[in-house]
Formats: sequence, structure tokens, C-alpha cells
Amino acid sequence: AQTVTQSQPEMSVQEAETVTLSCTYDTSESDYYLFWYKQPPSRQMILVIRQEAYKQQNATENRFSVNFQKAAKSFSLKISDSQLGDAAMYFCAYRSPSRKTSGSRLTFGEGTQLTVNP
Amino acid sequence: DAGITQSPRYKITETGRQVTLMCHQTWSHSYMFWYRQDLGHGLRLIYYSAAADITDKGEVPDGYVVSRSKTENFPLTLESATRSQTSVYFCASSLAGGPGNEQFFGPGTRLTVL
Repeated sequence: AQTVTQSQPEMSVQEAETVTLSCTYDTSESDYYLFWYKQPPSRQMILVIRQEAYKQQNATENRFSVNFQKAAKSFSLKISDSQLGDAAMYFCAYRSPSRKTSGSRLTFGEGTQLTVNP
Repeated sequence: DAGITQSPRYKITETGRQVTLMCHQTWSHSYMFWYRQDLGHGLRLIYYSAAADITDKGEVPDGYVVSRSKTENFPLTLESATRSQTSVYFCASSLAGGPGNEQFFGPGTRLTVL
């Protein structure tokens, strides 16, 4: 079974600075998807960025980028020019390519609470 | 309103009572999912459904029942609520089951079992 680990329960960053959130995962599959979700105090789960394992190029979405190291099974999220609105819980998630795996369910890490200081 | 909605948003109940959490989506997505969120565990899959009348267990199904008579609705029932089922419950849907299909989440239901 796949597992996802986020080793940083809490992180903080100064406004306008850069922060990196860590995520590691364990799988025996060679093709899969990885995601970062943001959960603000409203509880709404918001997709931040996704990475397809067969693509070597790291995904980027505006100020958000990932460092995907497939051999090391590492998937970190970098937030540049941090803004107050980035304060939230961030979840790393894995999704199997197989529909047989619970309909391609998402397996989540424990989350990292990010605080942005003004 | 379009999208995925959950009701109620907050619910307090007592041990042993039956509780049903509702989930409704307007996109005609085939797949729907129920997750629970607990501190230290992230979100864990309870049940999922690939289409109307097709449901299957996820990672933590014990104590829960689901049904899906219509594509747009996917209710989750706690037949006899226990304190360990105090949690935040999220419903999600996706167009299809492939991994590239984004899962869209509802706003969540905070359930407290006394």
C-alpha cells in the first residue's frame, strides 16, 4: 500500500520570503500522480499543483513549484514570494494510476500547517 | 448552485444514534468519494462509488454505509454513531476514475458525537 509522509507538522515564513514544504512517499508503482492541496481555515480543499510521475519536468503554477525526485520518492512544494493568503494547512497526496485502487483514491499525508508572518 | 455541496455543515449527535450526511454534485461526475479528516491522519477514504448503484469500500469503512441511487447524490450513513467517528467529513467527485482526473471537494461536515 502507498504511504505519504509529511515530516513537518508546522512551518512559518516571513511575507515575501520563500518556503519549502517536504513530502515523501512510498510506492511500488512506476506511474502515478502527486498533488499538493491547500486547506485554509474555511476547510475547503483547493488543488495547488499536480505532478505526473512520468514527466521529468517539475510542475509550476505561478508562485508554486515542486521539486520532484522520483528515485528518492520525494515531492516538495516551494512557495515563492509568500503572501498572507498562503497561510493554510497543506497536504501532499498520491494517486495510483489504477482504477482498481479504490477508484484511484487519493492517499494523503498528515499535513503541514503554514504560518505567514507579516 | 453548481458544484458539490454537503449538508449539514455542522452536526452534533449522541452515541448510538443514526446520522446521515448528504452530498450532492451538479456536474454529473461518475466517481464520488467520502473521506474523513482527523488530526495526524490527513484525509482517509471511507467509501467510493464509480457510478450509480456501484459502491465499494475504502481504507476505513467500518461503521459506515453508503448508497448511490442517483448519480448526483452520495449519502453517508453512520448506523450507530460512536465517539471515534467524531471527525470532519469530506465528499469529493471526479469526472472519471483515472488518476489525472481532478477530485473536487465539498466544504466538509463537522460531526461531533457525544
